[in-house]
Amino acid sequence: RKEVEQDPGPFNVPEGATVAFNCTYSNSASQSFFWYRQDCRKEPKLLMSVYSSGNEDGRFTAQLNRASQYISLLIRDSKLSDSATYLCVVPPNAGKSTFGDGTTLTVKP
Amino acid sequence: NAGVTQTPKFQVLKTGQSMTLQCAQDMNHNSMYWYRQDPGMGLRLIYYSASEGTTDKGEVPNGYNVSRLNKREFSLRLESAAPSQTSVYFCASSEVGLTYNEQFFGPGTRLTVL
Repeated sequence: RKEVEQDPGPFNVPEGATVAFNCTYSNSASQSFFWYRQDCRKEPKLLMSVYSSGNEDGRFTAQLNRASQYISLLIRDSKLSDSATYLCVVPPNAGKSTFGDGTTLTVKP
Repeated sequence: NAGVTQTPKFQVLKTGQSMTLQCAQDMNHNSMYWYRQDPGMGLRLIYYSASEGTTDKGEVPNGYNVSRLNKREFSLRLESAAPSQTSVYFCASSEVGLTYNEQFFGPGTRLTVL
C-alpha cells in the first residue's frame, strides 16, 4: 500500500460547483498534513495546512479524520482559475514528506 | 527575497554525460530536498538534507549524488545520465518543527537525456 493515496481524477466540474477530493495515508503517527496546488509544469505551492481537525480559508476547507486516516479538500463555488493538480502531502516524520500523485481538477465554463 | 532558485531551467544531455543541478535558498531554512517528477506522476524524493553537513537518501537515490555546500546551497549531480533520468527536478527547502513542515519549491529544472 502506498503511504499516501489520492484519487487521480480527473474531476471535470462546471463553474460554481462544489468538489471534494480525498487522500488516505498509512502512517498513523503523522501530525501535520498539507494540500499543495500545482499548475501545469510549475512548482507546487502550499494551499492549506491541517494540524487539527480542519482548516478553512475562503472557498477552501480541509478536514482531517485521524480515526479513518484520511484528509479531504472541499472547494466551493469553483472558479476557472481553480483548474490545477492538487497534491496531498503527509510528513511521516520531521524532515521528510510523502507526496500523493495528485488529483487533477478542470473547471469548465 | 528570491525564495528558492534553481539553475539551469532547461538542459539536454546525451546518455553518459554528467551534470550538476544547482539550488539555493535565502530563507535561512535548515532542510533542503531534491525531488523528481515524471509526467503524470507525483513527486519522488531523491535526497534530502535535514541540516547543513548531513544528507540522506530518499525514495529514488540511485544514479544521483548530492552536496550540501553550506546552509544556502544544495546541489544534485548526475554522474552518468541515462534516458530514465529524463524528468523535471524540483528543489525545496523548509524549516521543520513538530507541527509544521511547509516546503517551498524552486521553479524546477527540465532535463532531457537522449
